[in-house]
Amino acid sequence: GDSVTQMEGPVTLSEEAFLTINCTYTATGYPSLFWYVQYPGEGLQLLLKATKADDKGSNKGFEATYRKETTSFHLEKGSVQVSDSAVYFCALSGSGTYKYIFGTGTRLKVLA
Amino acid sequence: GAVVSQHPSWVICKSGTSVKIECRSLDFQATTMFWYRQFPKQSLMLMATSNEGSKATYEQGVEKDKFLINHASLTLSTLTVTSAHPEDSSFYICSARDFSAGGRLGETQYFGPGTRLLVL
Repeated sequence: GDSVTQMEGPVTLSEEAFLTINCTYTATGYPSLFWYVQYPGEGLQLLLKATKADDKGSNKGFEATYRKETTSFHLEKGSVQVSDSAVYFCALSGSGTYKYIFGTGTRLKVLA
Repeated sequence: GAVVSQHPSWVICKSGTSVKIECRSLDFQATTMFWYRQFPKQSLMLMATSNEGSKATYEQGVEKDKFLINHASLTLSTLTVTSAHPEDSSFYICSARDFSAGGRLGETQYFGPGTRLLVL
């Protein structure tokens, strides 16, 4: 079945460092891909999405490109801030279904 | 746009009582809503898919008599935890799909802020 694999956390970075959180997927067909962010004690907020191969989603300095050849959707940000500290979830919406398959989440801690 | 609210944000109840959690889409209509459960420092576990006007579809291992879901309108779904016990303590999160968004846009889920349930 469909699955999403995220890099293990926690990831600890200094402010202004470059961020990469890896996400790879297994799916039949052509899923849509998403990154969500969860701040402590809150629900999930949509960060960015991509619906087809080679699409790049971007928001608030974060970017991710839908790579079908490597089945990946890695999240990147050029310069992180303390306020980016949160848990990041990669998810896919499988073809023919509206259910999400979530990765395990990656906790990011940014130090001042 | 695409705001989903949940009420209450947290609730403490005694073992054996029932608790109702509401999920509302505030500025769009949602044919489909999803209910998730999240344990500390873990990912979200899908409990059920709720479709307006029809019975919810539960994931394997989720007791439908324990977690009653009602989706009576295009903007409201409720989850009732019946005869709650301490092991039901968790963070419950709902999400909703925009009814009017077709194709790939309709795949995006908008999440509520979550409800923390503590059963004593």
